[in-house]
Amino acid sequence: AQSVTQPDIHITVSEGASLELRCNYSYGATPYLFWYVQSPGQGLQLLLKYFSGDTLVQGIKGFEAEFKRSQSSFNLRKPSVHWSDAAEYFCAVDHTGGFKTIFGAGTRLFVKA
Amino acid sequence: DTGVSQDPRHKITKRGQNVTFRCDPISEHNRLYWYRQTLGQGPEFLTYFQNEAQLEKSRLLSDRFSAERPKGSFSTLEIQRTEQGDSAMYLCASSLSVAGVNEQFFGPGTRLTVL
Repeated sequence: AQSVTQPDIHITVSEGASLELRCNYSYGATPYLFWYVQSPGQGLQLLLKYFSGDTLVQGIKGFEAEFKRSQSSFNLRKPSVHWSDAAEYFCAVDHTGGFKTIFGAGTRLFVKA
Repeated sequence: DTGVSQDPRHKITKRGQNVTFRCDPISEHNRLYWYRQTLGQGPEFLTYFQNEAQLEKSRLLSDRFSAERPKGSFSTLEIQRTEQGDSAMYLCASSLSVAGVNEQFFGPGTRLTVL
């Protein structure tokens, strides 16, 4: 069965510092991969997605993610974090064509001044 | 606002009562999904509709849960005889099915508290 692991329950970074959130998935083939962000009181917002092709994908709000097949990873990065990036981030995978997305448990990002 | 909307945003009920939630998807979207999210966890898939047909149900969806999408537009999720373990955020999402993977757009959720 598919699974998604986000090893870090929470991360604290200073404003302006770089960020990397880890995500590992378990699935035989290459699934479709997503990163979502959830702010308090808000719905999940898609940051970026990977289906095929270039393994470095660019998303909204200055985020990017790199798919590494050999490591079954899809880590999210941002070169300079802003205070408004404080939120919960979810990695997700899907191999069904979009109707049964499996989410990780999430990583809560705290940004300190 | 043309996003996914959910009503109510919050619901507090007593154990044993029935509750019903509504989801209005983005108007041209033919797929609609329900998820449940508990504290400290990611969303868990419950069920999904393509137009009015319910095509997939998770084992999480016990017989106390029922979802409908009668005209292929809005959807309702009903929980009968609520239990404290039903307390969670219930999320709705919609997508437009085209070739490849469909991007899901999420609503703000309905937070259910069962006392």
